[in-house]
Amino acid sequence: AQKITQTQPGMFVQEKEAVTLDCTYDTSDPSYGLFWYKQPSSGEMIFLIYQGSYDQQNATEGRYSLNFQKARKSANLVISASQLGDSAMYFCAMREGRTGTALIFGKGTTLSVSS
Amino acid sequence: EAQVTQNPRYLITVTGKKLTVTCSQNMNHEYMSWYRQDPGLGLRQIYYSMNVEVTDKGDVPEGYKVSRKEKRNFPLILESPSPNQTSLYFCASSSISGGPTLLINEQFFGPGTRLTVL
Repeated sequence: AQKITQTQPGMFVQEKEAVTLDCTYDTSDPSYGLFWYKQPSSGEMIFLIYQGSYDQQNATEGRYSLNFQKARKSANLVISASQLGDSAMYFCAMREGRTGTALIFGKGTTLSVSS
Repeated sequence: EAQVTQNPRYLITVTGKKLTVTCSQNMNHEYMSWYRQDPGLGLRQIYYSMNVEVTDKGDVPEGYKVSRKEKRNFPLILESPSPNQTSLYFCASSSISGGPTLLINEQFFGPGTRLTVL
C-alpha cells in the first residue's frame, strides 16, 4: 500500500484564489512528521511547512497552511491568495516513526496558476 | 547563507565511467541523505548518514556508494554507471533532535544533479 497518496495529478487555479492540495498518509506509528515541498520547473526542492503528529494546532507559514485531520489521516496543503509564482509541483512527504531515516514522498501534484 | 550545494548540476556520461557527485552543507547538520527522482516514482532514498562515518542503505542503494569522512560532505559515487541510473539526484541534510529517541527534522535539499548515462 502507498504510504503517501496525492490523488490530484494536476490542479488549476486563478490568481488570488485559494487552493487545497490533497494528501493522505498511511502509518501505524503514533509518532510521525508530515512535510510539504514545492518543486518549481527549475527543479529545486523547497521546504514549505511541517506538521508533527502530536502537534495540537494546524501548522501555518505565511500563505501556506496545513489542514491536519489525524483521524482521517489527511494533511492537505492550503495555499491562500495564489500567485503566478506558485505554479509548481507540490510533494507531500512523511517521516515515519521517531527515527525515520527517510522522507517518503507522494507522487506530487502539479499546480498551475493563471492570471 | 545556509545551503546545500551539489556539483555538478548537469552531467552526461557513458556506461561504466566512474563518477562522483559532491554534496556539501554549511548548516552543521548531522543527517545527510541522497535521493533520486524519476517520473511517476517520486523521490526514493539511495543512502543516508546519521553522522560522520555512519552510513546506511536506503530503498534503492544498488550501484551506488557513499562516504562521510567529514560532517559537511557526503559524496555519491557511481563506480560503473548504467543507463538505468539516468535520473535527477538530490542531496539533503537535516539536524537531529536529541532526547530519548532521535528525531530527524525537516530536510533541506540541494539544487539537484541531472545525470544522463548513455
